[in-house]
Amino acid sequence: DTGVSQDPRHKITKRGQNVTFRCDPISEHNRLYWYRQTLGQGPEFLTYFQNEAQLEKSRLLSDRFSAERPKGSFSTLEIQRTEQGDSAMYLCASAMGETQYFGPGTRLLVL
Amino acid sequence: SQELEQSPQSLIVQEGKNLTINCTSSKTLYGLYWYKQKYGEGLIFLMMLQKGGEEKSHEKITAKLDEKKQQSSLHITASQPSHAGIYLCGAGPGGSGNTGKLIFGQGTTLQVKP
Repeated sequence: DTGVSQDPRHKITKRGQNVTFRCDPISEHNRLYWYRQTLGQGPEFLTYFQNEAQLEKSRLLSDRFSAERPKGSFSTLEIQRTEQGDSAMYLCASAMGETQYFGPGTRLLVL
Repeated sequence: SQELEQSPQSLIVQEGKNLTINCTSSKTLYGLYWYKQKYGEGLIFLMMLQKGGEEKSHEKITAKLDEKKQQSSLHITASQPSHAGIYLCGAGPGGSGNTGKLIFGQGTTLQVKP
């Protein structure tokens, strides 16, 4: 257990539905990252927060994706109008220094 | 953009054997991270290397960074079934304004046969 938690661990949804994932970082960590990982690939960066400010978004993050970190603590990642291509593992990581600590991930399956 | 390539993509070894996984970058490395992932789970931090020639060890796992070759290697001595999993190398893209995001290789899947 790294101290980073994610909820839910698994989500099955139908195409077109909206889903929201939550990440609780290690409490003193001011940086929070979201990554997406598909089968057989390494994680790909989606977005980054420093405290409550979203400072970088990948081109992978289409308009259907939105992320928030309202009080600089937990973060949510919402996917609207899900598509089958959104099926993946969504990983959250937090950091204070140079090392990122990852949560267990949320596995999304879009039917 | 920077890319990391890992070799081999998969590896099956007999318990007790040594093995090496390589990670090669298309650009200069500004810090190199090694993580381990069990299937369907999150990433567990193993080691971070920052300087050329740096070598770190944790239990039976040793990692080295060769900056000139833009390459890192991960060596496991006397492998055990507990070493099985996916090994991922990650690196920051470097440059000014770096947010600390990591770019990862595609991973190396290791199976250790008892």
